[in-house]
Amino acid sequence: GENVEQHPSTLSVQEGDSAVIKCTYSDSASNYFPWYKQELGKGPQLIIDIRSNVGEKKDQRIAVTLNKTAKHFSLHITETQPEDSAVYFCAASRGGADGLTFGKGTHLIIQP
Amino acid sequence: NAGVTQTPKFRILKIGQSMTLQCAQDMNHNYMYWYRQDPGMGLKLIYYSVGAGITDKGEVPNGYNVSRSTTEDFPLRLELAAPSQTSVYFCASSYTFGGSETQYFGPGTRLLVL
Repeated sequence: GENVEQHPSTLSVQEGDSAVIKCTYSDSASNYFPWYKQELGKGPQLIIDIRSNVGEKKDQRIAVTLNKTAKHFSLHITETQPEDSAVYFCAASRGGADGLTFGKGTHLIIQP
Repeated sequence: NAGVTQTPKFRILKIGQSMTLQCAQDMNHNYMYWYRQDPGMGLKLIYYSVGAGITDKGEVPNGYNVSRSTTEDFPLRLELAAPSQTSVYFCASSYTFGGSETQYFGPGTRLLVL
């Protein structure tokens, strides 16, 4: 089955700086790669996703890049703000009804 | 729309007891999922359903059962609770109409088995 590795497990950045979280996946048939943000005591919430036919996608301060050859994808957050502090999960799926395989998460801490 | 709702929010069970975790969605999604999240870990898929009357096992199905009698509801049943089932349980739903695969998650049920 699919295996998703996520790094780092904890990331501390100064407010206003950029943050990058990286994931690798093992199943070459995976074609859908979402990123979720989870705040304390809440369920995960989708922040951005990318499909295998696209190399990069951007939404305001958030961007995701995908390298299918190397089987890795990354989340980039620019101009970080205190409200960006949370746990971020990457995931991979073959699409359709397939469930998501999640990475173990990155705790992002924004230092004032 | 309320989205995905889950009850209860928190429950303590004794070893060997049984319970049902409730999940409902009002978005007319055909696909529904149950995940568990252990401390410091990502979510792992327990069971999923592609429509009423159809369910299938995920990565960690042992000790659980599900049913899907309606589009809206997808309860998760724990029989003979064990300490290893202490976790936070999340229900999610999605639909693939128009190529969308976004999974929407509920707020979770925190379960403690003692």
